[in-house]
Order: sequence, then structure tokens, then C-alpha cells
Amino acid sequence: EIVLTQSPGTLSLSPGERATLSCRASQSVSSSYLAWYQQKPGQAPRLLIYGASSRATGIPDRFSGSGSGTDFTLTISRLEPEDFAVYYCQQYGGSWAFGQGTKVEIK
Amino acid sequence: EVQLVQSGAEVKKPGESLKISCKGSGYSFTNYWIGWVRQMPGKGLEWMGIIYPGDSDTRYSPSFQGQVTISADKSISTAYLQWSSLKASDTAMYYCARIGGLWSTTSPFDYWGQGTLVTVSS
Repeated sequence: EIVLTQSPGTLSLSPGERATLSCRASQSVSSSYLAWYQQKPGQAPRLLIYGASSRATGIPDRFSGSGSGTDFTLTISRLEPEDFAVYYCQQYGGSWAFGQGTKVEIK
Repeated sequence: EVQLVQSGAEVKKPGESLKISCKGSGYSFTNYWIGWVRQMPGKGLEWMGIIYPGDSDTRYSPSFQGQVTISADKSISTAYLQWSSLKASDTAMYYCARIGGLWSTTSPFDYWGQGTLVTVSS
């Protein structure tokens, strides 16, 4: 069973800054079946990125994903006020798992 | 419009049974896998299992195998998550979500229900 480890646990940044979130897998993620979700308080998660680097429908281009194998990154190029939230990576396909989450908070 | 509408919040006592539901609309419910995700208070997301409503093929996370039962009734486009004997540690928000690929598990969760809060307390 693959374990996903996200870092850092909390990222304190100001609006307009760049956010870089990491997700490391304990084994190689097949076919880059890696997704990123955003969750705000009191809401269900929302799909941002799938296939490691493809943006889901309606997701702004300030969100980008990269990586392969065991190391993946979610980058938010310029933080908007509505981007402060918790972000989860997820492996899907034959095996399913979520990372523990990274909270992006206002500095 | 794709929608997943979950049943309402529940308050139960330890040892009681419970079945919560997730009704899909706006798409062919039979042909897309549905998953269940647990979120304990203040914690992260945990994948519990998935079901293909077309033939009820079900896959469980090892962490939840034997602890819950996932089922579906394709005639009413509804998936279920049930417990036979609840524990206080089952207190959590439970989400259903659709896997986005037609017939396939090789897609992420693209649509989510609003969540069902289950509280288990004596």
C-alpha cells in the first residue's frame, strides 16, 4: 500500500506570493495517477489537478502540477485570498490513498 | 448537471447500526464508480472504498475492510455506506464522490457529495 507524505504541514504566505507544496510517495505512482484537491472549511474537497499536471475543468491557470515517479509538486503562482485552504494529494487507479494535507494560511 | 446528494446528519449511540446514502443525478449512475471518504474531526481525508453500481463490484481500503459495507441500488441511482455496530471512533464527516472515468477506476474523484456528519455518542 502506497503512503503519500505531504510537506510542509503548514505554509504561511501572503497574498501574491508563490506557494510550493510537495507530495512524496513511498513507491512509484503508476502512470502519474496523482491528483490534488483543495478543501475549504465546511466544504467538500474540489479537484484541482489530475494526471499529475492536468488542470480540472474551471481551475485557474495559477494552479499547476508537476512531477512523476515518487515526487510531485503543486504550485500556486500567485496566491489569491480564496486560495488559503488545505490541499491534499491523492493516488488513484489500482491503489488509492490520500496524503495528510498541507494547510496554506495567511501570514 | 452532475450532482451527488447525501442523506442528512445522524446522531447515534455506540452499538447501533446505520446506513447513509448518496444519490446521483445528471449522469449515467450505473457506469461510474462511486467512492466513500472519511474525514474525522479536524483531520485529513481517508479513502474507504469504491463501488461500481453496474455490477456492485466493490473494493475496500484495508483499513476499512470488515468495518463497513458499501452497496448500491442502481435502480434508484443510490450508493450506501453502512455500519452494523457503531463506535465512538466512527464519528466523522463522510463524503461520497464520483470517479470521473467512464467504467474506469483510473480517474480521480471529480464530483463530491456535500457530506454526511455522523456523530456516535452515548
